Amino acid sequence: AQSVTQLGSHVSVSEGALVLLRCNYSSSVPPYLFWYVQYPNQGLQLLLKYTSAATLVKGINGFEAEFKKSETSFHLTKPSAHMSDAAEYFCAVILSGGYNKLIFGAGTRLAVHP
Amino acid sequence: DAGVTQSPTHLIKTRGQQVTLRCSPKSGHDTVSWYQQALGQGPQFIFQYYEEEERQRGNFPDRFSGHQFPNYSSELNVNALLLGDSALYLCASSYQGGYGYTFGSGTRLTVV
Repeated sequence: AQSVTQLGSHVSVSEGALVLLRCNYSSSVPPYLFWYVQYPNQGLQLLLKYTSAATLVKGINGFEAEFKKSETSFHLTKPSAHMSDAAEYFCAVILSGGYNKLIFGAGTRLAVHP
Repeated sequence: DAGVTQSPTHLIKTRGQQVTLRCSPKSGHDTVSWYQQALGQGPQFIFQYYEEEERQRGNFPDRFSGHQFPNYSSELNVNALLLGDSALYLCASSYQGGYGYTFGSGTRLTVV
C-alpha cells in the first residue's frame, strides 16, 4: 500500500513565484511527516518535519508546510522561489510501530527559471 | 563535527560480483539505516542496524546483507550483483533509533 504520494513528478516555476509541492499520506493514525531536499549528486537534507505539535511547520530556506488531517496532506510551500531552490524534493512519513522507518514518496523535481 | 561518511563515492562492478559499501555515522549516533535510491525514484528502505543487530528489514532479497561494528559504523554487502542493483545507496544515522536522521552523500553503484 502506498503510504505517501507526491503529485507531480516535475514542477516548474519562475523566479519569485510561489512554490507549491504536494504530498498526501495514507494512514488512519497521523504519522510523523518530513520534507527532504536533494541536490544533484548529494544526499538528503531535512527541510522540515511534523511531529504532532503545531500544524504549520516552518523549515529552512524559507519553506513551510501545513499538516491537514482532514485532507491527509502535508504540502510544501515557499512564497518566492529562488534559483537555488532547483532540486529534487521528497516527502516522507514514519508510521507508528515501525522503528521509525522512513517511507519516501517518488519525489518532485523543481525547476526554477528566470 | 563530522556528519555521515560513506565510502566509496562511486563504484563500478560487473554482474555476478559482490560489493561492500561502508558508512560511518554522525558523532553521537548509534543507529544506521540503509536506503537504495534507483534513478528517478525515492529512496527505499533496506534495513536498520542498532546495537549490532538488524532490527528491521525492507522488501529486499537475502543478497543484501549488512553488519554493524562496535564503533557503530556499518557495512552493506550485496552478492550476485544484478543490473537492477545499480543505484545510489544512502546511509542514514540517528540516535537510539529516533527519527532525527542525518544522511550521507551516498555511494553510486553501477553494475555493468
